[in-house]
Amino acid sequence: DTGVSQDPRHKITKRGQNVTFRCDPISEHNRLYWYRQTLGQGPEFLTYFQNEAQLEKSRLLSDRFSAERPKGSFSTLEIQRTEQGDSAMYLCASSHPGDRELNSPLHFGNGTRLTVT
Amino acid sequence: SQQGEEDPQALSIQEGENATMNCSYKTSINNLQWYRQNSGRGLVHLILIRSNEREKHSGRLRVTLDTSKKSSSLLITASRAADTASYFCATDSASGTYKYIFGTGTRLKVLA
Repeated sequence: DTGVSQDPRHKITKRGQNVTFRCDPISEHNRLYWYRQTLGQGPEFLTYFQNEAQLEKSRLLSDRFSAERPKGSFSTLEIQRTEQGDSAMYLCASSHPGDRELNSPLHFGNGTRLTVT
Repeated sequence: SQQGEEDPQALSIQEGENATMNCSYKTSINNLQWYRQNSGRGLVHLILIRSNEREKHSGRLRVTLDTSKKSSSLLITASRAADTASYFCATDSASGTYKYIFGTGTRLKVLA
């Protein structure tokens, strides 16, 4: 168990550029989540996958945001035409329901900190 | 949107004292979880309590859940400087989705 890995750890980009983040979950974890966190706030739900299927997407997620999990393993989160308001920590988490599907803790990566200048 | 609200927003105590933080939520749940976050890092799972449980212990942690009041509390006994962190509650939804909604967090500072 090597933990959830996120890359890059930090990203600085200019407004209007596109950025892509990667998340590698714990192997055999079939659920993968993306959250966004700004300073002093709790993580805000963006989207989650079960295997390769994207099951829910927050209404707060504009059309500029897209997430994929093509083979049910790693996932990418892309932000197009970044805005200064996109500056935040982007957190990925995975879980493995096991026998009790409703009760499974989330394992978080250390996040990607995005700064849009 | 935030499902949970933690109270207090910030808490400062002396090492050895107990720390209590509270979480209130809005909708019916299957379970509630508490997480800890050190500055600039990801969240670490502490404890999970199911909706049919009222109290749970793990080491120096004690969690209670009152589903009639839609509230939970986390007690850290005999606090240490290393407990300094932000603490968040997270709830799922009894409606059947598997997303977790986090509260606003309590920032705990334990003074040595």
